[in-house]
Amino acid sequence: QKEVEQDPGPLSVPEGAIVSLNCTYSNSAFQYFMWYRQYSRKGPELLMYTYSSGNKEDGRFTAQVDKSSKYISLFIRDSQPSDSATYLCARQGGSEKLVFGKGTKLTVNP
Amino acid sequence: DADVTQTPRNRITKTGKRIMLECSQTKGHDRMYWYRQDPGLGLRLIYYSFDVKDINKGEISDGYSVSRQAQAKFSLSLESAIPNQTALYFCATSDWDTQETQYFGPGTRLLVL
Repeated sequence: QKEVEQDPGPLSVPEGAIVSLNCTYSNSAFQYFMWYRQYSRKGPELLMYTYSSGNKEDGRFTAQVDKSSKYISLFIRDSQPSDSATYLCARQGGSEKLVFGKGTKLTVNP
Repeated sequence: DADVTQTPRNRITKTGKRIMLECSQTKGHDRMYWYRQDPGLGLRLIYYSFDVKDINKGEISDGYSVSRQAQAKFSLSLESAIPNQTALYFCATSDWDTQETQYFGPGTRLLVL
């Protein structure tokens, strides 16, 4: 079992919808959790990270970590076609590496 | 100019050939990484280096080797390419105190026939 599990989708929503992307993880020893966004034919780029438990908000994006249930979530409000991308969750790994989920492909339709 | 560059961007090669993928960065970071990305399998770490004299195996290092020629350069070699090494390869860098933030290159699309 991979340490970070993520539903690959694909997920298709209409413009303006609220999007919820989720991951689960198995190792509770680490504190940093990240969301990376990858546009087609590009490298991933960091979207948000959270430390430990709780919420972090940045514009239309909210990252949430629930350590009791080992759940990582990314919410996108008022989704736009420009949000169409693959979203990868990640957690800090041992020896200061990152462990990535498989990614969820999101399409926001105009 | 891009902070992390990879060459070549696309490569087609034949089984048994030796190929090298190169990565250069201008961010001044000490830490560099090589990943491969496959549909359905996500990003997997091949090798990583925390400084010029430090090389570490990642999750899937078999069939690959690396060289850290300088702080800014990290190369990945396939000594004898095989078809299941067909994938998208990414180089990434991070700073020592913000390892949660990795900066990725644009990727190299490799096809092994």
